Amino acid sequence: QSALTQPASVSGSPGQSITISCTGTTDDVGRYNFVSWYQQHPGKAPKLMIYDVTKRPSGVSDRFSGSKSGNTASLTISGLLAEDESDYYCSSYAINYSLIFGGGTKLTVL
Amino acid sequence: QVQLVQSGAEVKKPGASVKVSCKTSGYIFPVYYLHWVRQAPGQGLEWMGRINPDAGGIDYAQKFQGRVTMTRDKSISTAYMELSGLTFDDTAVYYCARDGFPNGWPLDSWGQGTLVTVSS
Repeated sequence: QSALTQPASVSGSPGQSITISCTGTTDDVGRYNFVSWYQQHPGKAPKLMIYDVTKRPSGVSDRFSGSKSGNTASLTISGLLAEDESDYYCSSYAINYSLIFGGGTKLTVL
Repeated sequence: QVQLVQSGAEVKKPGASVKVSCKTSGYIFPVYYLHWVRQAPGQGLEWMGRINPDAGGIDYAQKFQGRVTMTRDKSISTAYMELSGLTFDDTAVYYCARDGFPNGWPLDSWGQGTLVTVSS
């Protein structure tokens, strides 16, 4: 299985909103509502930000939201803060009992 | 609080094997699957597989079938990942992570990572 497709980079100014896309296939993103999003700061372990496409774990800011249409999932961050600058990865449950990640997107807060 | 503490960095020669441990605490070990994910330098995340800490059932990523072995010791709430036939491309940080929800395999707690360097 190939990795999910994410843009290599996105950027936005403080206070703005940005959206990161994550495109898969009918074997993963399009088949299941099991898309997760992770934030990873340099040298740190990933942190779960969104699961089951739209749900936020306890403690995650409501500035983070998720959605899905067809084979493409999206992560939106509103009211950008400097601390949001990080790498973001999507993942999806896939057929044959597997998990697949996206290639990652570097978010720069200008 | 939930904690996953991994073993320290390793340096191995090509062809060797490496075994990484992941000691858990702060929750009931048998209840949640544990996954292994790796990240090569400057690269993205790559799923390797998962283990059921209770029954021991395992799902391996196709890429690692035949080369990876995941085990656990319930008595000390610890999971292990052994990778054999190491090549330079196996140089990466290896993470264990807990699957904290009923479906979809979202990974809600992660170990600190173990750097495995393959060098001649």
